[in-house]
Amino acid sequence: KAGVTQTPRYLIKTRGQQVTLSCSPISGHRSVSWYQQTPGQGLQFLFEYFSETQRNKGNFPGRFSGRQFSNSRSEMNVSTLELGDSALYLCASSSTVNSPLHFGNGTRLTVT
Amino acid sequence: GENVEQHPSTLSVQEGDSAVIKCTYSDSASNYFPWYKQELGKRPQLIIDIRSNVGEKKDQRIAVTLNKTAKHFSLHITETQPEDSAVYFCAAIDNYGQNFVFGPGTRLSVLP
Repeated sequence: KAGVTQTPRYLIKTRGQQVTLSCSPISGHRSVSWYQQTPGQGLQFLFEYFSETQRNKGNFPGRFSGRQFSNSRSEMNVSTLELGDSALYLCASSSTVNSPLHFGNGTRLTVT
Repeated sequence: GENVEQHPSTLSVQEGDSAVIKCTYSDSASNYFPWYKQELGKRPQLIIDIRSNVGEKKDQRIAVTLNKTAKHFSLHITETQPEDSAVYFCAAIDNYGQNFVFGPGTRLSVLP
């Protein structure tokens, strides 16, 4: 079974631009979560989607948004990029509630 | 909401010694506690997990213990090897069963 796939692996953007990251979950997994990982802040929860509905949202500004499609693939969008948005963005999928998260390799975003 | 603390932040052990990482959580309704290992430049991977109806779980050199009364759980690695060197994250799932809250991580170094 293929794992969680995230594209692209690396992105370099300029302040003020916007960016869209993509995540394809493990086949059959309907829950997709997004995390931001920075050296000083660890793994910070962004949001979680299940069957195209956002069920939970972390404490991030409205510039961070996401969506999930009918095939469970998910996208995350960050608008008006700031230098502090530079981070590794990890997507994870799971099959049901209270089941393990399976992480993708992440997208490393650098904002200059 | 849930809050997870993790100690120590860094840990160095000699090869063959044991390593113990401790986490505490705040929400008594949390009932699922996974541990993830993240090697440098790689994605977090699940190494062991425990549910609230179990006090201890072992998998070869790795074990996790859970004390629900005290709201803490610990990762034990015996006979450490250089390939155990990584950052380890504990997590607790919130009472909705959807949102994982991660500890800040422990950087384990196993010295040859």
